[in-house]
Order: sequence, then structure tokens, then C-alpha cells
Amino acid sequence: NAGVMQNPRHLVRRRGQEARLRCSPMKGHSHVYWYRQLPEEGLKFMVYLQKENIIDESGMPKERFSAEFPKEGPSILRIQQVVRGDSAAYFCASSLRRATNEKLFFGSGTQLSVL
Amino acid sequence: GENVEQHPSTLSVQEGDSAVIKCTYSDSASNYFPWYKQELGKRPQLIIDIRSNVGEKKDQRIAVTLNKTAKHFSLHITETQPEDSAVYFCAADTSGTYKYIFGTGTRLKVLA
Repeated sequence: NAGVMQNPRHLVRRRGQEARLRCSPMKGHSHVYWYRQLPEEGLKFMVYLQKENIIDESGMPKERFSAEFPKEGPSILRIQQVVRGDSAAYFCASSLRRATNEKLFFGSGTQLSVL
Repeated sequence: GENVEQHPSTLSVQEGDSAVIKCTYSDSASNYFPWYKQELGKRPQLIIDIRSNVGEKKDQRIAVTLNKTAKHFSLHITETQPEDSAVYFCAADTSGTYKYIFGTGTRLKVLA
């Protein structure tokens, strides 16, 4: 049973470009969460999605950031017109059920570097 | 907003000694407290968790204690080994929801 898969592992973008981060949850999991981790900091909640629905995006910046989890295919976190401050590790997690008292399983993350 | 504080930020222990990491949380409605271990460049991995109806939980060399009255919980690692070296994060759910608030991490170094 493959774990949570994220790609790419490393992504380099110049200021103003778009970044697309992909996440495939564990088999059988339909709940996906994106977290951002800055150096020397903990993980910050960004968005919670179920298939075809955004349940909670309260942790995501209102501009330039969007997320989706289509019926088919991976969840996508999109960052438009990236700026240096977007440089961070972005982790995706999935759970079997809505994560109240549920174990979250994390992917290996995407390290985004904005030049 | 809700907050989880974690101490210390760095911890060095001799191999074989015990390590203790402490966290406090602000949301009195929190009832799930996981601990994650993150090695350099790798994913956070769940190592132990505890729910609010339990005061202590143990898994081999790792134990977690919870004091709901004081709103703090701790990770205890006994007989530490070099492979225990990593960053450890505590977390708490917010008002029983899916949003987990993470501490800022403790970098544990086990010296051989």
C-alpha cells in the first residue's frame, strides 16, 4: 500500500512564475490536507479538501493560492506569480476519515525555491 | 488564535539517557494530541498519539503523558539511541476539528 505521494520533490521557480504541486493520497483515503513548513518552524494548516470539494481553505492566502482535488487524479496546490516568501516545504497529508482524532499520514513534501 | 507551544527548541542527550519534550496548548476543546518525528529532508511520521480520555500511553521506549487540567502534554523517550536524532513536533486538534496546530519543533541530538 503506497503512502502519500507528492511530486515533484524539489521545484525551482523564478519570481512571477506558477508552481503546481501534486499529491496523491494513500489508497482508500478521500480526505486531503495541505500544510506549509517554513525553516525552523512547525507545519501550518492551509487547506482541507475532499473529492471535488474544498472543505476549509482558511489557512491559505486569499490571493495567488488555490487548491483542487478532482474526481480523478491527484490533488493540486497551485501558486500563481510566486514570490520569494513562498519558498517553503509544502506537505500533503491524507486520512481515511475526516481528521477528527484521525491519524494524518504525510507525504515527503515538495520543497519550493523561488529565485 | 489557538496555539501550541513546544519546549525546548533543541535538546542534546547522551546515548542511553532519557529525553523529555513538553507542549502546552490553548484550546480547552482539543482532545487529540499526536507526536511526529521528522528526519532531515523527510516526511513527518506519526510516532505516538493520545486522546483526551487517557492520561498516559506507552509504546516501547516512547511514552506520552497528558494533563488536561493544565493543558500540557509531554513526550518521553527512554534509552535514547543515535537513530532517535530528529526533529519532533507535537500537535493538537482545534475544537475537535480536522485542523491540527503544530508546535515549532524540538531538534533532538543523541550523542554516541
